[in-house]
Amino acid sequence: DAGVTQSPTHLIKTRGQHVTLRCSPISGHKSVSWYQQVLGQGPQFIFQYYEKEERGRGNFPDRFSARQFPNYSSELNVNALLLGDSALYLCASLWGREGGYTFGSGTRLTVV
Amino acid sequence: SQQGEEDPQALSIQEGENATMNCSYKTSINNLQWYRQNSGRGLVHLILIRSNEREKHSGRLRVTLDTSKKSSSLLITASRAADTASYFCATDSGGGADGLTFGKGTHLIIQP
Repeated sequence: DAGVTQSPTHLIKTRGQHVTLRCSPISGHKSVSWYQQVLGQGPQFIFQYYEKEERGRGNFPDRFSARQFPNYSSELNVNALLLGDSALYLCASLWGREGGYTFGSGTRLTVV
Repeated sequence: SQQGEEDPQALSIQEGENATMNCSYKTSINNLQWYRQNSGRGLVHLILIRSNEREKHSGRLRVTLDTSKKSSSLLITASRAADTASYFCATDSGGGADGLTFGKGTHLIIQP
């Protein structure tokens, strides 16, 4: 079975632009979470979606938005990019009742 | 914001020695999880311990949890060069709305 897949792996954008990151959870998993990891820090929670509905949101500005599609894949959108948005963006799939997560390899976003 | 801190921030030991990392957190939790990250890529789930558990083992890993002190430790026995990575603890407060809250991580280097 494929794990959590994210695309693209790397991305370079200019300040003020918009970016869309994509994630496919493990087949059959209905929950997707997004995290931002700035260099040297631990990941920070952005969103959690379950069955296409937003179930949780971290402390991020409204420039960040997400959605989940009927096939449970998800997109993370960031508008009006700032230099500080440069980070590794991680998508995670929640498994079972244990609450453990499987993470994708991430999208490294560089804003210049 | 970060939930807590891992200690130490960096640890370098000889292959074959045991490595111990500590994690402190601030709020009540449903469970605590440990993840490994190689070279700034995706996180790999290592072990999950519930709030009503005090110790858990998985292969060469041993995790303890002291909810009265809001702390956890991860012990890796008989370390190998392949264990070189960053290790993060993450707390789950339950419900999914807040996602996982990660610490800043411990960077472990195993010297051959």
